[in-house]
Amino acid sequence: GESVGLHLPTLSVQEGDNSIINCAYSNSASDYFIWYKQESGKGPQFIIDIRSNMDKRQGQRVTVLLNKTVKHLSLQIAATQPGDSAVYFCAVHLSGTYKYIFGTGTRLKVLA
Amino acid sequence: DAGITQSPRHKVTETGTPVTLRCHQTENHRYMYWYRQDPGHGLRLIHYSYGVKDTDKGEVSDGYSVSRSKTEDFLLTLESATSSQTSVYFCAISVQDNEQFFGPGTRLTVL
Repeated sequence: GESVGLHLPTLSVQEGDNSIINCAYSNSASDYFIWYKQESGKGPQFIIDIRSNMDKRQGQRVTVLLNKTVKHLSLQIAATQPGDSAVYFCAVHLSGTYKYIFGTGTRLKVLA
Repeated sequence: DAGITQSPRHKVTETGTPVTLRCHQTENHRYMYWYRQDPGHGLRLIHYSYGVKDTDKGEVSDGYSVSRSKTEDFLLTLESATSSQTSVYFCAISVQDNEQFFGPGTRLTVL
């Protein structure tokens, strides 16, 4: 079956350092990937996405890397700030369907 | 929030009572979804809709029904609420190119 997993449930980083959050997926028919940020008591917030025909995409302070060979996705946050503290999870869209599979999330803690 | 609202935002109810959650969007997107979010699980799809009166089941649809009589509204109904349906419920829309955006959520407690 399909699954999406994250390597670490919690990640603590010093303010100003870079953060890397990982996601692994199982379905080769995945064609689109999204990273979300979720703060306590709020809905998931779209951060950045990438399609399967790309291997890297950059946004403002965030970069997503996609390695289709090993079915691995990562989110890099540059110069992590206190406001980045949240749960981050990835979503994987299954080609030809309306369906997305979600990871369980990594809680990012930013240490002052 | 991509023009998505959910109501109510919080609800406490008793086992066996019916509950309806509402999702409203302002931008006439075709695809709408209901998910539940529980500790230790990723978001799980309950039902989704690909148009007015066009709906289909997700992976955790037992005990839930949906209706979509207008493009802008997608209703989720728990016919007879159970304690296992205590959860946070999120509505989402999918726009062109598959980008998916979420509403603020409804926290439901079934006693």
